[in-house]
Amino acid sequence: SAVISQKPSRDICQRGTSLTIQCQVDSQVTMMFWYRQQPGQSLTLIATANQGSEATYESGFVIDKFPISRPNLTFSTLTVSNMSPEDSSIYLCSVAEAPDNEQFFGPGTRLTVL
Amino acid sequence: AQKITQTQPGMFVQEKEAVTLDCTYDTSDPSYGLFWYKQPSSGEMIFLIYQGSYDQQNATEGRYSLNFQKARKSANLVISASQRGDSAMYFCAMSLRRSTQGAQKLVFGQGTRLTINP
Repeated sequence: SAVISQKPSRDICQRGTSLTIQCQVDSQVTMMFWYRQQPGQSLTLIATANQGSEATYESGFVIDKFPISRPNLTFSTLTVSNMSPEDSSIYLCSVAEAPDNEQFFGPGTRLTVL
Repeated sequence: AQKITQTQPGMFVQEKEAVTLDCTYDTSDPSYGLFWYKQPSSGEMIFLIYQGSYDQQNATEGRYSLNFQKARKSANLVISASQRGDSAMYFCAMSLRRSTQGAQKLVFGQGTRLTINP
């Protein structure tokens, strides 16, 4: 399976600021995804990061709040914009080599917004 | 609507015993995948096992096996000979194929917190 790293691993931010989270994979992968896990909750898909085109967002998530980039097949970024305490969560990227394949997750970014 | 249900918020098991974590799902799509992930307190999501909807045999990976009962729409995880290191949150998830792009999304259950007692 691919080795996935995320930066930063954790951060504490002030409300109103923005944070960009990076996801790096050690091999080219077809599919990359971003998930959010709010405290004590399950994971929710934010969007699918598409290489060379705009991300596909799930209901309840918008590009202005969570802009995503995917410049190539090994790297993606998620920005959490104009943060509020409600954005405090673990943000995880995941990858899959094909649509029906297993998804493997990065170690996550633990974000706290004060 | 597609949904995953895990009815056990928490389970306590003695070390070395086998444990079954329940998962039921609901979908009208004939093609789907079922996954189990382990999340220790560190927060990482560790892939454990996968079962495709057309697979005839139950999936097994070491001490993990998936009891797939398609007619009942259940995909329970069985951990044999439990160990202290098995203490974690366990999530059942279902993959759904979207009509556009062929991309898939994972829908997760609420999780079961498993505690292994010495």
